[in-house]
Amino acid sequence: DQQVKQNSPSLSVQEGRISILNCDYTNSMFDYFLWYKKYPAEGPTFLISISSIKDKNEDGRFTVFLNKSAKHLSLHIVPSQPGDSAVYFCAASADSGTYKYIFGTGTRLKVLA
Amino acid sequence: DAGVTQSPTHLIKTRGQQVTLRCSPISGHKSVSWYQQVLGQGPQFIFQYYEKEERGRGNFPDRFSARQFPNYSSELNVNALLLGDSALYLCASSLAGQGLQPQHFGDGTRLSIL
Repeated sequence: DQQVKQNSPSLSVQEGRISILNCDYTNSMFDYFLWYKKYPAEGPTFLISISSIKDKNEDGRFTVFLNKSAKHLSLHIVPSQPGDSAVYFCAASADSGTYKYIFGTGTRLKVLA
Repeated sequence: DAGVTQSPTHLIKTRGQQVTLRCSPISGHKSVSWYQQVLGQGPQFIFQYYEKEERGRGNFPDRFSARQFPNYSSELNVNALLLGDSALYLCASSLAGQGLQPQHFGDGTRLSIL
């Protein structure tokens, strides 16, 4: 049972345009969400997080939106750069006291120059 | 500053063998978590240790065990290896034990079971 779903395995975007990566979840107890970026042969790198008390969080070119009623979050990257090409994972947790995060299967973003 | 370091980077074992994977957290980090990433999937939580105590455990069989040492480094042990244990094993560290602090991942150990 996949509690965190990233239904788009891949996405291609032109440099300078907006990239939107989506993530859906089924467990209403999830209250903390994160996005990680992963380059080949490297471990995931933390990008941005959001807790369920907010519906938006921004950090530079990255913005995460949370729609609790739809159990949906999205990551917006504006403007997209070729260096953003990587696999992006969303992760969710129902227990802020641990790192027992549930990860999605990832979306491979390719930013075309 | 050194990041999270994992050893070895690659490992080949046969079914039924036992394996030990090692992780050194970032200096000052007291929490270490282990994840298994199978090809095409996201990382799956195995264990978290904080201050040498187990803080969380994922849905893995008892063949998987871990421990954390006084210097906060950690080992993941897997006994009676199965073909399905072939995966990338990731270690992550953080300053505190609570899940709201960003984790820093190592580059992983690629384990192949023949």
